[in-house]
Amino acid sequence: KQEVTQIPAALSVPEGENLVLNCSFTDSAIYNLQWFRQDPGKGLTSLLLIQSSQREQTSGRLNASLDKSSGRSTLYIAASQPGDSATYLCAVIGASGNTPLVFGKGTRLSVIA
Amino acid sequence: GAVVSQHPSRVICKSGTSVKIECRSLDFQATTMFWYRQFPKQSLMLMATSNEGSKATYEQGVEKDKFLINHASLTLSTLTVTSAHPEDSSFYICSASRQEYSPQHFGDGTRLSIL
Repeated sequence: KQEVTQIPAALSVPEGENLVLNCSFTDSAIYNLQWFRQDPGKGLTSLLLIQSSQREQTSGRLNASLDKSSGRSTLYIAASQPGDSATYLCAVIGASGNTPLVFGKGTRLSVIA
Repeated sequence: GAVVSQHPSRVICKSGTSVKIECRSLDFQATTMFWYRQFPKQSLMLMATSNEGSKATYEQGVEKDKFLINHASLTLSTLTVTSAHPEDSSFYICSASRQEYSPQHFGDGTRLSIL
């Protein structure tokens, strides 16, 4: 059974810092991996999707990497801003078909002005 | 874009009430919709997968008689929490995908509070 772990559970940084969020998964047979953002009491916003054949994806100040063989992904946020404060969730889809996303518990990020 | 609308956003009701939550794909047809539940400071846990025109597939431990799912069209799925109790209080989120292997698009969630 696939399990997704995110470290740290919570992170507080001053504005302007670069930071890295970590995600690991136990079964490397994945179709893709996604990073989501969730604001308090809200749904999910997809940030980046990495296919299993890809190594990284970039969008603005965000960069996500994937090392499928070791079951790891990182989300790098450059020049953090208070508006980046949210919970960041990592999720994977198994390679076997139209399987549901398996989520980690998320990292709660606070960027202090 | 791919917009998923979830309604209502918040429900507060008495114990024993049945509550229906709607999930609509507004600008695309969704062959598959997923229903998740999220408890405070926990991750999203899949409850069930529904394909248009067929019965939903429930995850282990989810009571199908308590959480009724209907996916009658390619743009609408509903989750009905029957005879809700305080332990059913949670954040329920749906997602929809066009077809197999395509990305899931999420609704904004429904905060359910049972008194």
